[in-house]
Amino acid sequence: DGGITQSPKYLFRKEGQNVTLSCEQNLNHDAMYWYRQDPGQGLRLIYYSQIVNDFQKGDIAEGYSVSREKKESFPLTVTSAQKNPTAFYLCASSIDGESSYEQYFGPGTRLTVT
Amino acid sequence: KNQVEQSPQSLIILEGKNCTLQCNYTVSPFSNLRWYKQDTGRGPVSLTIMTFSENTKSNGRYTATLDADTKQSSLHITASQLSDSASYICVVNSKGTASKLTFGTGTRLQVTL
Repeated sequence: DGGITQSPKYLFRKEGQNVTLSCEQNLNHDAMYWYRQDPGQGLRLIYYSQIVNDFQKGDIAEGYSVSREKKESFPLTVTSAQKNPTAFYLCASSIDGESSYEQYFGPGTRLTVT
Repeated sequence: KNQVEQSPQSLIILEGKNCTLQCNYTVSPFSNLRWYKQDTGRGPVSLTIMTFSENTKSNGRYTATLDADTKQSSLHITASQLSDSASYICVVNSKGTASKLTFGTGTRLQVTL
């Protein structure tokens, strides 16, 4: 999992509650990403950040929010506005946002909302 | 629309046998193609990254090929082991930033005794 930690591994929440997923990296990478993985689908990009204090929406940002106050940390908040939040969430990082650099993934957080 | 299609969807092979997984893509403009291995409930781990000029790349028992003209890639696993049981995901990066990744849905490989 290459220096990226995500916590917790499993998370359970009631519908209507916001929840924050943690992602920390010690690889000194500038770029960080959040993906969502659903059964039978490819990973989909939620948000990404190429530098501290800056982030951009990915393909499915609605109902999610992020912050990037520190280089090492990129937390994701799943808000009550996200219609179908139950999924496996993966955080990744790369040296910077250039396409040639490999993305390293964390171990993931499985969120279940009932 | 950029797309990555993988086949087969799932595969069962006996330990020690070889197998080949396929990836077809329609991503444009092309920058690089990556193969990842994902164990159940874990994050993906990179196996190879290939650019336009590379047509084969190996990582131990894993060998990836790329035909940029036909927009096809394959991942060949030699002498499979039980630990190879996982999902294998093909990812294509279009030119620009690393955020422009298109992920395939993966091939689920099961290696049995």
